[in-house]
Amino acid sequence: AQSVAQPEDQVNVAEGNPLTVKCTYSVSGNPYLFWYVQYPNRGLQFLLKYITGDNLVKGSYGFEAEFNKSQTSFHLKKPSALVSDSALYFCAVRDFNTDKLIFGTGTRLQVFP
Amino acid sequence: DAGVIQSPRHEVTEMGQEVTLRCKPISGHDYLFWYRQTMMRGLELLIYFNNNVPIDDSGMPEDRFSAKMPNASFSTLKIQPSEPRDSAVYFCASSRRSFYGYTFGSGTRLTVV
Repeated sequence: AQSVAQPEDQVNVAEGNPLTVKCTYSVSGNPYLFWYVQYPNRGLQFLLKYITGDNLVKGSYGFEAEFNKSQTSFHLKKPSALVSDSALYFCAVRDFNTDKLIFGTGTRLQVFP
Repeated sequence: DAGVIQSPRHEVTEMGQEVTLRCKPISGHDYLFWYRQTMMRGLELLIYFNNNVPIDDSGMPEDRFSAKMPNASFSTLKIQPSEPRDSAVYFCASSRRSFYGYTFGSGTRLTVV
């Protein structure tokens, strides 16, 4: 069965420092991977996706994610964190059998001034 | 494009009352999803539709919950009778195919007292 894991419930980082939010996946076949962000009192918003091609995917708000097939990972990164990046981040993978997305449990990112 | 529209944004009701949540998906999207989000259980998929037909309702917690999609532009999630443990944020999302990712509404915060 398709699945994603977000091993960290919370990530703390100082403003201006690089950030990484981790995601690993388990799929049969080539994965379709997504990152979403949820700001307080808002719905989930699409950040970026990997379908095929370049392993480094660039998305909204300066975020990028690196697809690593050998490590079955799709970590979200940003070179310099902002306080406004503080939010809940979800990784998701497409389930080919049902054509729906399987979401991870979410990682809360806290950026301190 | 106004996005996925949910109403109401907030609902406070007394235990035992019927609650109806509404969703208008993005025009042209074939899939519609209802999610529930709580601190304890995270993001849960309740039910999803494809071309107005319910495909998987295995996430619906009990018979008190029901969902309909009478046409391509409208869906409802009904809870009857409501209980305090139903208090949560309910999200609706729509998509063309999972390949494209989902677009989420802003959610309905339900409080049952």
